[in-house]
Amino acid sequence: EAGVTQFPSHSVIEKGQTVTLRCDPISGHDNLYWYRRVMGKEIKFLLHFVKESKQDESGMPNNRFLAERTGGTYSTLKVQPAELEDSGVYFCASSPTGYNEQFFGPGTRLTVL
Amino acid sequence: AQRVTQPEKLLSVFKGAPVELKCNYSYSGSPELFWYVQYSRQRLQLLLRHISRESIKGFTADLNKGETSFHLKKPFAQEEDSAMYYCALDSYNTDKLIFGTGTRLQVFP
Repeated sequence: EAGVTQFPSHSVIEKGQTVTLRCDPISGHDNLYWYRRVMGKEIKFLLHFVKESKQDESGMPNNRFLAERTGGTYSTLKVQPAELEDSGVYFCASSPTGYNEQFFGPGTRLTVL
Repeated sequence: AQRVTQPEKLLSVFKGAPVELKCNYSYSGSPELFWYVQYSRQRLQLLLRHISRESIKGFTADLNKGETSFHLKKPFAQEEDSAMYYCALDSYNTDKLIFGTGTRLQVFP
């Protein structure tokens, strides 16, 4: 069974540009999470989807970040416009309902120049 | 506020030495604590959770509510244990994980 996949693995963009990160959870997992690790800091929660609904988006840093999960399958996280402080590794994780182990993807390393 | 603290950024030991990676938390209520591990070039994966009280790859962790700690221990470190270790807390109300800053364990031959 394929694990959580994320695309792209790396992205280098200039300040002011737009980037869209994609996450494909494990098939059948209703819960999908986005996290971010900024250099030297802890992995921080961004938001949580249950199927296509946003269960908790308390960790989203500001309105430059937009997450979607149309159809309750894959999710996208768009940053527009990107700022220098958005650089970091963005992780996606998924879990089935009622099971609190989260399965992580390999992450997308975003560099904003 | 809910918080997880891992005081050591780096822990270096020789093969066969005991290892203890420290984790303290602050949380009002009954948290669920986890240790996640990330080996070089691999994804973050669950190592163990306090609820299951199991030993994985020789590692154990005991939840001490009095000291609000969940330290990870192994009596004899192996080179393949070298990795980044993250302590995490799961709030029952939200399902989101709150991570510590991580400890890099280096085991030298």
